Amino acid sequence: NAGVMQNPRHLVRRRGQEARLRCSPMKGHSHVYWYRQLPEEGLKFMVYLQKENIIDESGMPKERFSAEFPKEGPSILRIQQVVRGDSAAYFCASSLAILEEQFFGPGTRLTVL
Amino acid sequence: GESVGLHLPTLSVQEGDNSIINCAYSNSASDYFIWYKQESGKGPQFIIDIRSNMDKRQGQRVTVLLNKTVKHLSLQIAATQPGDSAVYFCAESPLGGKLIFGQGTELSVKP
Repeated sequence: NAGVMQNPRHLVRRRGQEARLRCSPMKGHSHVYWYRQLPEEGLKFMVYLQKENIIDESGMPKERFSAEFPKEGPSILRIQQVVRGDSAAYFCASSLAILEEQFFGPGTRLTVL
Repeated sequence: GESVGLHLPTLSVQEGDNSIINCAYSNSASDYFIWYKQESGKGPQFIIDIRSNMDKRQGQRVTVLLNKTVKHLSLQIAATQPGDSAVYFCAESPLGGKLIFGQGTELSVKP
């Protein structure tokens, strides 16, 4: 059973470009979470999705960030018009149900030049 | 506000000794707690969890203790090995779904 997969692993963008981060949850998992981690800090929750629905987006910046988890295909975290402050590691996690163990992917390291 | 660029607390232990990593959580309504291990360049790896109706849970070489009165969580690692060197995060789930992570503690194991 493959774990949570994220791609790309590393992404470099120039200021003003768009970044698309993809996450494929573990097989059978319908709950997906996105977290952001700045250097030497803990992970900060961004958004929680369940197939086709956003359940909790309380950690998402109000502008430029969006997330989706379509019926078919991976979950996408989209950052429009990236700025240097968006440089971070973005982790996706999935779980079988709420209040169950969240399995994390290897992360996407975004660098904004 | 958020802290940027601060050094993580560090715990240095001798190989074979026991390690205790502590964590204070913030929300008295949290009912699910987890410890994660993160190695450099990797995603967090689940170690052990505990629900609020328990005060102790044991796994293989690890024990988690929960003190709800003072909102404190600890992770005990028995016979610490060099492979245990990593950053350890506690996390709480106050509403179900999202996890709130602590700052992290860097464990360094000396051979």
